[in-house]
Amino acid sequence: ILNVEQSPQSLHVQEGDSTNFTCSFPSSNFYALHWYRWETAKSPEALFVMTLNGDEKKKGRISATLNTKEGYSYLYIKGSQPEDSATYLCALWDAGNMLTFGGGTRLMVKP
Amino acid sequence: DAGITQSPRYKITETGRQVTLMCHQTWSHSYMFWYRQDLGHGLRLIYYSAAADITDKGEVPDGYVVSRSKTENFPLTLESATRSQTSVYFCASRVGQGVDEQFFGPGTRLTVL
Repeated sequence: ILNVEQSPQSLHVQEGDSTNFTCSFPSSNFYALHWYRWETAKSPEALFVMTLNGDEKKKGRISATLNTKEGYSYLYIKGSQPEDSATYLCALWDAGNMLTFGGGTRLMVKP
Repeated sequence: DAGITQSPRYKITETGRQVTLMCHQTWSHSYMFWYRQDLGHGLRLIYYSAAADITDKGEVPDGYVVSRSKTENFPLTLESATRSQTSVYFCASRVGQGVDEQFFGPGTRLTVL
């Protein structure tokens, strides 16, 4: 079983703050990394799929970077808004059939 | 409508009953998955299927049965429901290998009394 870790587990920020969190994974098993946004009472929604070392992807105020050599990815949110409150999941693909999910970072943005 | 759908969205059943949760996708994706969401465990994979008539166990398969006679459908059956199977169940699909996006259904909230 692959060890995909996310930190912190939860995070409280004020509206307007920028924030970031980490997904760590075994670099030797890396083929692709997924990021998902998961709002309460909804289903996970794909944000990014990253495959190349040094890759940087952006969607609006959310961006992600990838370091496959050291086994981590950062997710950044610029100018957090209350609607950004959600759990952010990362998942590793190791060329098998399934994704291995991390435990998630729960972000709460206070107005 | 195109996409991935689950039914029912909510289900209450009693211990010992058989329950089937349905999952349907309109994209002809090869891969389909069943997950359960549990506090403290996040998403755990129950079963997956790489193609019609091909299924395999995930992390927590005990007490569940799946089938995939058609590409678009992937039903999950609880043969004899137990209280520990109370959870939110998510179906997901993916066109191919893990460099492709994986799409989740809206979820089924199952309560076993």
